[in-house]
Amino acid sequence: AQSVTQLDSQVPVFEEAPVELRCNYSSSVSVYLFWYVQYPNQGLQLLLKYLSGSTLVESINGFEAEFNKSQTSFHLRKPSVHISDTAEYFCAVSDNRANNLFFGTGTRLTVIP
Amino acid sequence: GAGVSQSPSNKVTEKGKDVELRCDPISGHTALYWYRQSLGQGLEFLIYFQGNSAPDKSGLPSDRFSAERTGGSVSTLTIQRTQQEDSAVYLCASSFSGGPPDTQYFGPGTRLTVL
Repeated sequence: AQSVTQLDSQVPVFEEAPVELRCNYSSSVSVYLFWYVQYPNQGLQLLLKYLSGSTLVESINGFEAEFNKSQTSFHLRKPSVHISDTAEYFCAVSDNRANNLFFGTGTRLTVIP
Repeated sequence: GAGVSQSPSNKVTEKGKDVELRCDPISGHTALYWYRQSLGQGLEFLIYFQGNSAPDKSGLPSDRFSAERTGGSVSTLTIQRTQQEDSAVYLCASSFSGGPPDTQYFGPGTRLTVL
């Protein structure tokens, strides 16, 4: 069965510093990988996704994630964070054996002024 | 355009009572999902609809939980004889055709508190 591990439950980082939110998954078949973001008092929004092709995917607000099959990872990075990036970030995986998404437990990113 | 909507946004109930949670998916989306987000845990899959059929109910935690979908649109999640451990945020999502790698669009959720 699929599973997703987000090792860091909370990540504090100063404004304009770089950040990496880690995500590892387990699946024995080809996977699709997603990062969702939940801003305070808002619903989940898709940030970016990997389906196939280039292993590096980017979002419109400067985040990027790289699919690493050998490491079974899909870490999320941003070179310079803003206060507005403060949110909870969820990594999720799906594959062709199930219709639903399997989510990690989330990482709360807090950007410190 | 309208996104996924859910009602009520908050529900407080007493242990043992039944509750109904409603989800209106994005128009034209054939697939609909229910998830549960408990404190300190990730999102837990409950049930998946394709049209009005539920081919995957594997995530429903007990027979107190049931869901239906009518007209290929609105869905209702019913919890009978609620227990305190049912307290959570219940999220609904919809996607255009269902299954991976379709993007799922989430509603704002219903926060259920069982006293």
